[in-house]
Amino acid sequence: AQSVTQPDIHITVSEGASLELRCNYSYGATPYLFWYVQSPGQGLQLLLKYFSGDTLVQGIKGFEAEFKRSQSSFNLRKPSVHWSDAAEYFCAVVPWSSNTGKLIFGQGTTLQVKP
Amino acid sequence: DAGVTQSPTHLIKTRGQQVTLRCSPKSGHDTVSWYQQALGQGPQFIFQYYEEEERQRGNFPDRFSGHQFPNYSSELNVNALLLGDSALYLCASSSTGVFTGELFFGEGSRLTVL
Repeated sequence: AQSVTQPDIHITVSEGASLELRCNYSYGATPYLFWYVQSPGQGLQLLLKYFSGDTLVQGIKGFEAEFKRSQSSFNLRKPSVHWSDAAEYFCAVVPWSSNTGKLIFGQGTTLQVKP
Repeated sequence: DAGVTQSPTHLIKTRGQQVTLRCSPKSGHDTVSWYQQALGQGPQFIFQYYEEEERQRGNFPDRFSGHQFPNYSSELNVNALLLGDSALYLCASSSTGVFTGELFFGEGSRLTVL
């Protein structure tokens, strides 16, 4: 069965420090990959996505993610975290054969930013 | 340009009751998906509507049903509510055609079942 694993439930980093959030997926073929962010009281917002091509993708708010086929991973990174980045982050996949937009989400990683 | 709007934002029901949640998609979108997000969990796909038909369904019982109207807005109905139905219900809209993968989410309806 397709699944997404985010190993870190909660991460705390200091403002200005670098960030990496981990995501691993389980699927036979390379799926479409996404990172969404959910701030308190707000809906989910797409940060970035990977369909094919360059394995390093750039997103909004200074985020980037790298797809590694050999590791079935799609980790999210940011060089310098800002206090406003504190939120819940979700990795999600869509099987490449699906065009219906059914997303399979990981359980999320809560990011806390220390001043 | 209004994004995805959902109503109500919060509601409290008791076990056995029925609830209807509403969603208006982003302008120009014709497809609506519903997700259930339990506390501390990622969203889980309930179903998707396109052209007023349920196009795909997740692993949810028949107590969960939906509808899409000609103006693309949608409703989610849950019958015979259980305590475990307490969750944030998210509506997401998209445009059918070339799949871009981006769903636009509303802020959700938080349902508490007592």
